Order: sequence, then C-alpha cells, then structure tokens
Amino acid sequence: NAGVTQTPKFRVLKTGQSMTLLCAQDMNHEYMYWYRQDPGMGLRLIHYSVGEGTTAKGEVPDGYNVSRLKKQNFLLGLESAAPSQTSVYFCASSGRGNTEAFFGQGTRLTVV
Amino acid sequence: GENVEQHPSTLSVQEGDSAVIKCTYSDSASNYFPWYKQELGKRPQLIIDIRSNVGEKKDQRIAVTLNKTAKHFSLHITETQPEDSAVYFCAAGTGTASKLTFGTGTRLQVTL
Repeated sequence: NAGVTQTPKFRVLKTGQSMTLLCAQDMNHEYMYWYRQDPGMGLRLIHYSVGEGTTAKGEVPDGYNVSRLKKQNFLLGLESAAPSQTSVYFCASSGRGNTEAFFGQGTRLTVV
Repeated sequence: GENVEQHPSTLSVQEGDSAVIKCTYSDSASNYFPWYKQELGKRPQLIIDIRSNVGEKKDQRIAVTLNKTAKHFSLHITETQPEDSAVYFCAAGTGTASKLTFGTGTRLQVTL
C-alpha cells in the first residue's frame, strides 16, 4: 500500500497562474482533507470531503477549489495564485468515525 | 468554530528527562484528540490519540491525559531520547468526519 500520495512535491508558480494538486489514497477511506502548513500556524484545513462527489469548506477556503470525482482522489485547485498561497500543502485521508488521519508527503508551493 | 491553543511553542529538555505539552480547546462537542509528530521535512504522523470517554491513555513512553471539564489535554513523554526531537501537534476533532483543528505546534529539542 502506498497510503496517501501527493503530486507534485514541489512547484513554483508566478502570480496569477493556475495549478492543480492531486491527492490519491489507496486505503478506501471515505474522508479526505487538504491542509496548508505555515510557520507558527500549525495545519489549517482548506477543504474536505466526506465522500465521493461531496466537498465542504474548511477554515481557510478562499482562493481554492476542490473536487472529488472518484473516491480515491481529491484535487485542490488554485485558479489565480497569489504570494499569500506560498505554503506547504498536505492532503490527508481517514476512515469513518474519528480515526487516524494519514497524511501525504506534502507539496511545497512557492508563488512569486 | 473550534479553537485549539498549544503551549509551549518550544521546549528543550535533557535526554532522559520528561517533556509535557499542553493544549486547550473551545468546543465542548469535540470528542477526539490526536497527537501528531512531524520530523523536519516529513509528513505529520499519529503517535497517540484519545477519545472523550477516556481520561488517560498510555503507550510505552508516551501518555495523554484529557480533562473534559476544563477542556484541556496534555502529552507526556518520559525518558526522552534524541530521536524524540521534532515538532508535536495536538488536534481536536468533532463529529464523525475527523475534521481536525490543530494547535500551532511545539518544537521539542532533546539535548545530550
């Protein structure tokens, strides 16, 4: 089992460009999440999904969109990147109920 | 929404000493409290968790305590070792979707 896999691992964008981060999990988990991690601020929830075809806003959703067309994939999109979106992005997944959230290896995004 | 505060932000202990990290939460509906360890450049990984129907849980050198009345929980690491050096995050989860709110992290340094 690969667990949770994120692509890409690193990316540099220019202000105004768009991109999509892909998260894939092979644990048949119902729930998937996107977090961003900034120095001194911990992990903040951007969007999450409780099942295929469903998404919901987290704590810091502005500037991001998500889609969960397949149970195993959760995509995070930036339509018009801004320097404030420079961060490390982590995807995670978990099973039903309050169970362990497994994290991907992270994507370091720099917007210049 | 939920708010989780974590203290201290940095903690330095000598090898063999104990380390204690404390967190408070605001939402009385929170019922799941995991602790994650993140080594430099790596993904967060679960080290221990506790649910609201339990007051204390122990796993070898690691223990977590929960005081629901006071809305605080703590991580205790005994007999610290250099490999315990990392950033530790507490989190609080509400409902069945494991939608976690994280604390801002504690950087633990274990010195020889």
